[in-house]
Amino acid sequence: DVKVTQSSRYLVKRTGEKVFLECVQDMDHENMFWYRQDPGLGLRLIYFSYDVKMKEKGDIPEGYSVSREKKERFSLILESASTNQTSMYLCASSLAGTGLGGYTFGSGTRLTVV
Amino acid sequence: DQQVKQNSPSLSVQEGRISILNCDYTNSMFDYFLWYKKYPAEGPTFLISISSIKDKNEDGRFTVFLNKSAKHLSLHIVPSQPGDSAVYFCAASAPRGGADGLTFGKGTHLIIQP
Repeated sequence: DVKVTQSSRYLVKRTGEKVFLECVQDMDHENMFWYRQDPGLGLRLIYFSYDVKMKEKGDIPEGYSVSREKKERFSLILESASTNQTSMYLCASSLAGTGLGGYTFGSGTRLTVV
Repeated sequence: DQQVKQNSPSLSVQEGRISILNCDYTNSMFDYFLWYKKYPAEGPTFLISISSIKDKNEDGRFTVFLNKSAKHLSLHIVPSQPGDSAVYFCAASAPRGGADGLTFGKGTHLIIQP
């Protein structure tokens, strides 16, 4: 069964901390994505990557960076966490050229910044 | 500027009846449309999709209708069951950089009442 695994289900961090959210997929997918989900705002794309070491900004990249050193791993980095980054973070992956139903999501990381 | 709109934040339907979830979009470049279902504390899971060259796609109890001229799609669930209670996200696909980026609506919380 295909899997996208996010390393933590729940995280609590302090304002100003550097935070790493890890995502690993075992499907050999080219594309990986980071979304955040907030009540009333739906899923918003933060960053995505279509190949190793490649990254592109999504709709809300401010305050975030990403790293993709290996095909299976896509990390989201909060350089200096702030309370407005408290959210549910969702990682997804897909094969190249398969937007039609091809996204597989992880279970999410609920991040709270205090 | 919201390109995919789900104007109903919530919808309550009696068990056994039809649930109709609506979605509007503004970007004529979208070529695939998808519905995802999300339970609390889980990642979204793919439900059904439709290509822009079709006007209907059916999968068991789920049917998606696309009206391109109106830039409108809808998801019909017949008959509605208690396990259908979840948040439903409409998503649209258009080529974004080197990946097939999905743009999501804000979601509709479907509540199936016994």
